[in-house]
Amino acid sequence: DAMVIQNPRYQVTQFGKPVTLSCSQTLNHNVMYWYQQKSSQAPKLLFHYYDKDFNNEADTPDNFQSRRPNTSFCFLDIRSPGLGDAAMYLCATSRDIRGDGETQYFGPGTRLLVL
Amino acid sequence: GENVEQHPSTLSVQEGDSAVIKCTYSDSASNYFPWYKQELGKRPQLIIDIRSNVGEKKDQRIAVTLNKTAKHFSLHITETQPEDSAVYFCAASTGRIKAAGNKLTFGGGTRVLVKP
Repeated sequence: DAMVIQNPRYQVTQFGKPVTLSCSQTLNHNVMYWYQQKSSQAPKLLFHYYDKDFNNEADTPDNFQSRRPNTSFCFLDIRSPGLGDAAMYLCATSRDIRGDGETQYFGPGTRLLVL
Repeated sequence: GENVEQHPSTLSVQEGDSAVIKCTYSDSASNYFPWYKQELGKRPQLIIDIRSNVGEKKDQRIAVTLNKTAKHFSLHITETQPEDSAVYFCAASTGRIKAAGNKLTFGGGTRVLVKP
């Protein structure tokens, strides 16, 4: 069920070297999310796009940025990865119409390793 | 903002027994409560969800109950099997504000181990 696709599945980068993770979806959902998940902790929301409107979480470091060029694609840019940024990065999508809660569908994640 | 607490953090059960995970939430405006199962190294997968207009929902061996007055909801797994071993996350959302989309607040997770 490749409805939310993330590439690459594994990414190795060097300390301080910019890295971009990508997410695409075939569901035509209007909302896309980026989560960071460490060591079986709960996913932590970094930001989300409602259509083209970007919504940053208050505690998301400036080191993390995002782009959504169209409905299907969303990118997570880490400008200067630190060792503490090593984690699983999950993309999710949902269709928000009624405003009463819609299912979020998660991608398989990209595991980032920072050397 | 919303705060979701989940208990227990680990749960070990014998195959065939039942497992119960409980979550409490703080925002009385929350109206959507999904449960996700995450196997090691894999994505969280929705296993069941409940909205605030119902008190209970069942899907085969899985059921969820919601008590809005007490602001808690629970996941019940009956006749557990080894493949039920995973981390389970509860979550809550108000989903009221258009610009906020459907922001989920997750509980801390429960690691379930089903022993054969």
